[in-house]
Amino acid sequence: DIQMTQSPSSVSASVGDRVTITCRASQGISSWLAWYQQKPGKAPKLLIYAASTLQSGVPSRFSGSESGTDFTLTISSLQPEDFATYYCQQTKNFPLTFGGGTILEMK
Amino acid sequence: QLHLQESGPGLVRPSETLALTCTVSGGSISSTTHYWGWIRQPPGKGLEWIASKYYSGSTYTSPSLMSRVTMSVDTSKNQFSLRLRSLTAADTAVYYCARVDQKEMFLDPWGQGVLVTVSS
Repeated sequence: DIQMTQSPSSVSASVGDRVTITCRASQGISSWLAWYQQKPGKAPKLLIYAASTLQSGVPSRFSGSESGTDFTLTISSLQPEDFATYYCQQTKNFPLTFGGGTILEMK
Repeated sequence: QLHLQESGPGLVRPSETLALTCTVSGGSISSTTHYWGWIRQPPGKGLEWIASKYYSGSTYTSPSLMSRVTMSVDTSKNQFSLRLRSLTAADTAVYYCARVDQKEMFLDPWGQGVLVTVSS
């Protein structure tokens, strides 16, 4: 199975800040990676797939990039509605696996 | 717009079998470009993929759950289902259903989730 390691597990930031979250795959997955946002009591919402393709309707302040087996989710200017938990997921093959999550908290 | 809705018991006794159904509306479960899947999330913890199935066959299951999981699709009702046997407290979680893009393998959309508690 492909293991996904996210860091940090939590981060504190303020509205307007630039935030980056990292996900590392245990083996090469090319661009086969998705990012999700989850708010308390709600289902996860797809933000990005294919490492850097923004899902329809997702604000352009969200972006994704890759470097080898390292992937980054960047929020360019935090908005109040962005405080949530973020998960990465490898989309290369079954079994699908997720990172442990990053809680983005208000400073 | 595609909508998924989970249904099933909120409380199940240890050693029993959990049966959940996901009803798909706004689209056909017989899509040739999607799988259908189940994911769970224990309270306060992360996401765990359980299984995915193509409407006409192929099923993929988490190795850690394979011996206890059955997934099926009912095209006549536009529903798919999950059965999880031999439940323990560790199976307490919110269970989500979702559509899986067959090419890109992302999960979208998701159902709202149903909390299942395993307790006597």
